[in-house]
Amino acid sequence: QVQLQESGPGLVKPSETLSLTCTVSGASTSTYYWNWIRQPPGKGLEWIGYIYYSGGTNYNPSLKSRVTISVDTSKNQFSLNLNSMTAADTAVYYCARGKSYFSYWGQGTLVTVSS
Amino acid sequence: QSVLTQPPSASGTPGQRVTISCSGSNSNIGRNTVNWYQQLPGMAPKVFIHSDNQRPSGVPDRFSGSKSGTSASLAISGLQSGDEADYYCATWDDSLNGPVLGGGTKLTVL
Repeated sequence: QVQLQESGPGLVKPSETLSLTCTVSGASTSTYYWNWIRQPPGKGLEWIGYIYYSGGTNYNPSLKSRVTISVDTSKNQFSLNLNSMTAADTAVYYCARGKSYFSYWGQGTLVTVSS
Repeated sequence: QSVLTQPPSASGTPGQRVTISCSGSNSNIGRNTVNWYQQLPGMAPKVFIHSDNQRPSGVPDRFSGSKSGTSASLAISGLQSGDEADYYCATWDDSLNGPVLGGGTKLTVL
């Protein structure tokens, strides 16, 4: 059974960098596409970016200048770094597997940006 | 501003049939299959329809998907109170080389 679990700080200060990790079990991060998706409180889903089996990445153009997604296949984890955080980045952050058919999701982790 | 356009809300009474639309363009819906997600409050989204019209195991056959040109629809027949949720469409965009999502539709069962 495939499971994804996000981990990272729940509170980040403005201007700082958010670092989240998604730990995958039941599947290999050296295959498939692995995504980060976020959802601000009371709003819709926003795709942040993906990393895929060859290590290639692609990011939402609106976030591209601030985002880095990386993978550690030895730990079966992939990570999100989002710099220059502002209050507008407060959201539940999800990791998910797939290209647009996101068959597996993490439970999500709430990240609040506040001083 | 979402790439795919959905109505912000939809509603129906128990037993009714409702449809939720998702409008895109030639670079996304026009060339790729559409997936639909149900999100209950406080939960992660769950895929309810994939590949335009395929239901994963466990999804009731009251849910169905269709696509024509650059638009897709999710239909729910025999509406139940438990169907009250937010619904999102998603597909691949060849220009972006990434997934695009709709803004979501809040379904209310009256």
